[in-house]
Amino acid sequence: DAKTTQPPSMDCAEGRAANLPCNHSTISGNEYVYWYRQIHSQGPQYIIHGLKNNETNEMASLIITEDRKSSTLILPHATLRDTAVYYCIVRVTQGRDKIIFGKGTRLHILP
Amino acid sequence: DGGITQSPKYLFRKEGQNVTLSCEQNLNHDAMYWYRQDPGQGLRLIYYSQIVNDFQKGDIAEGYSVSREKKESFPLTVTSAQKNPTAFYLCATKPSRAGYEQYFGPGTRLTVT
Repeated sequence: DAKTTQPPSMDCAEGRAANLPCNHSTISGNEYVYWYRQIHSQGPQYIIHGLKNNETNEMASLIITEDRKSSTLILPHATLRDTAVYYCIVRVTQGRDKIIFGKGTRLHILP
Repeated sequence: DGGITQSPKYLFRKEGQNVTLSCEQNLNHDAMYWYRQDPGQGLRLIYYSQIVNDFQKGDIAEGYSVSREKKESFPLTVTSAQKNPTAFYLCATKPSRAGYEQYFGPGTRLTVT
């Protein structure tokens, strides 16, 4: 699986959009970009994933650059409950299906 | 957390004792996984199972053992051979169909003293 690079921490004001970047310059053509988040002392929660097109669901939007070497997760209206560690992962969806979690970005939502 | 149960939430053991962590699911998912998380770190894969009666080592299997006798259950035993067993242990499941994500349980925090 390709490796990802994320900033260790970010702050965002409550009610504003939180934009979390991720670099994955060695991504392969058949690898998807996945985002999970983990609230303290809980299991990770799936947020969204995409291959090359931008994606949106009820939780977030995922913007993938045209060369697929980086992406941004957008939480449109951040709340205090969005305080968590956010993991960006690239992986194929078949085969061993192992998820490699890095250290992620610790997002602090400020009241 | 969905239909994944990990119990207990907190577990304490003395050094030198084996301990078994439970993971039960009612999601009818074929694949099950065990991860370990240390403070400030990402998750590391211990063992995984794609089907009943079959399992494979992950990246840090030494000192751990598993069984998959039933589709619903994937218990993890932390043996006395594991040098640093104190950690947060997470179980995950996934349908066999491609494109679906892994679902995680609430985790068990194991402390060995």
